[in-house]
Amino acid sequence: GESVGLHLPTLSVQEGDNSIINCAYSNSASDYFIWYKQESGKGPQFIIDIRSNMDKRQGQRVTVLLNKTVKHLSLQIAATQPGDSAVYFCAETFSGGGADGLTFGKGTHLIIQP
Amino acid sequence: KAGVTQTPRYLIKTRGQQVTLSCSPISGHRSVSWYQQTPGQGLQFLFEYFSETQRNKGNFPGRFSGRQFSNSRSEMNVSTLELGDSALYLCASSLGPGGVAFFGQGTRLTVV
Repeated sequence: GESVGLHLPTLSVQEGDNSIINCAYSNSASDYFIWYKQESGKGPQFIIDIRSNMDKRQGQRVTVLLNKTVKHLSLQIAATQPGDSAVYFCAETFSGGGADGLTFGKGTHLIIQP
Repeated sequence: KAGVTQTPRYLIKTRGQQVTLSCSPISGHRSVSWYQQTPGQGLQFLFEYFSETQRNKGNFPGRFSGRQFSNSRSEMNVSTLELGDSALYLCASSLGPGGVAFFGQGTRLTVV
């Protein structure tokens, strides 16, 4: 079946640098994408979302880019801080409520080096 | 506004037993979804409820069931527990189907 995947299981960055986490999706019918952050022992926390009629959306220190041509999502975190250390998941669905709920990628563990 | 609340946080059960997990959504949210998270399979969709009706169900055996009450609170039940059911069970709520889903802390179920 189709699923959302992330390119790297682990990403290590220096504190203060920018982080870029990538995600490839394969279901061309998906029109709504969400990034979640999951810290150890906690549930996934909503970071930012984007709909397929947009190619970029910015939040506080985070930017999501969507390239529908190559079915690629990325999450950019500016000036990475120790508190950003977590596993990041991308998820896809249909804005009207997909039959499979949210389809999650396998996650990228972001490690912040001092 | 209080977030999604799941109870209990931790459970230890024996094979063959059954278990019921509870989820209280964010106030005003009418859609509740359940997910299973394991190291091997990641996050997998179990089912979604809206207005007390199951809208969708993931690829899980019939031992997994759920329901939603008129106040939008939801429960999921797993009968005849197997070792492989050990996982973090996550509940998410949204205003409606397809809306932004906010997750609870999860219930860590261990089957021994």
